[in-house]
This record gives sequence, C-alpha cells and structure tokens, in this order.
Amino acid sequence: QLVESGGGLIQPGGSLRLSCTASGFTFSSYEFHWVRQAPGKGLEWVSYISSDDSSIYYADSVRGRFSISRDNAKESLYLQMNSLRAEDTAVYYCVRVSRMGAFDIWGQGTMVIVSS
Amino acid sequence: QPVLTQPPSASASLGASVTLTCTLSSGYSNYKVDWYQQRPGKGPRFVMRVGTGGIVGSKGEGIPDRFSALGSGLNRYLTIKNIQEEDESDYYCGADHASGDNFVVLFGGGTRLTVL
Repeated sequence: QLVESGGGLIQPGGSLRLSCTASGFTFSSYEFHWVRQAPGKGLEWVSYISSDDSSIYYADSVRGRFSISRDNAKESLYLQMNSLRAEDTAVYYCVRVSRMGAFDIWGQGTMVIVSS
Repeated sequence: QPVLTQPPSASASLGASVTLTCTLSSGYSNYKVDWYQQRPGKGPRFVMRVGTGGIVGSKGEGIPDRFSALGSGLNRYLTIKNIQEEDESDYYCGADHASGDNFVVLFGGGTRLTVL
C-alpha cells in the first residue's frame, strides 16, 4: 500500500513537502507518479519518476516549482512544492506504475490547501 | 498530444448494463487507455487497460467480471453489466504520451455514473 503525508494549509508563495511511504512490495523496482485532484474536479497528472530516478517529468502547470524525488532505502517518494498558488489546492495522490504502465496502486491522498 | 473526451454523466438502473465512452482526439487511434473508478470520497482504482484489440493485460484487483472493455477507432468503451449500487462512481480514462524528450499523462474529464 501507499500512504501519503505532509499536506495541510499553506499561504500562497509558501512551500510544502509531501511524502509517500510504501509497503508490501519492492519499492525500488517500480516507477511512480503524483496525481492531484482539485475539490470537485477531475484528475490531473503532476509528475513522474523512474525506478532509478534517471527519468523525471513534470506537468507544465508545476514545472519549475515542484520537484519529485525518491529514497529507495527508505521506500519513500517525495514531492517538494515551492511557490504554491491557490490553484495548487487539491488532494495529492501517490501512484505506483504497474509492469504494463497503468496506475495500479493509489494512496489515500493528502489534502493541500493554499490560502491566505 | 491527445485529448481524451468523456461525457460528464451517465445513468443506469440497478441490474441493467451501461457503456461508458472515452474518445481520443484525431490521430491517436492507436493509443491504449486505462479506465479508473473513483467511488465517492475514495481514491481512484485501476479497472483495466483497453486498446483497439480489446483488453490489455489483467483487470485491476477486485474488479468483477461484470466489467469489460472494447476499443474501436478513436473510442474506448467500458461496459458494466448487471449494475450494482457499488458501481455508482466517477469513471476516468487516462493515457500517457511521449514525444521527444517530453512525457505527459492525460486524463479525460470523467463520467459520473448514477445508479437509479
């Protein structure tokens, strides 16, 4: 399973670091994504990281502000979010990629609220 | 990059069947899409992957046999037979797109299925 943490209320322009801890599988063998969902809205892809973090990609909406990373020894995935904006308000999901590339395991999500 | 279009809502009576549609934008008829189910207040879960040849790989964990999928041209379909109350959910389709050094994941806007 995947368990996210680190969400909360933050002022515009602030920073937050989300964490995702994995259990029940060999974390280092898998690729991961962060996906977010604004209140009452659909799913929006945020970022991707390969199993050895040699490949990293970001959505245009967060590139330059967010940074994805992982620590295979700690079986953890991270999302450093800087220069937060009101439109970043969302539930953030940590998602595992299956062998065929589908998003096969989702965390329960962590809520980020950007507001003054 | 492709655009995935889904009707915002659908409804079906208990025990009936319903087919949900995800339409890819022109030029992307060879793309596979993944279907995700999101029950109210819960995180999404993987249902299955579908291309023009039908289902690709295995269904998601716990997805009943009542769920099936087909693909034709630009359309990717998710059919639910003998609809149950627990099928009332938002359903999203998603696909990834790689071009040169860029990679993105796109989602459709989602279809809210109401069980009557």
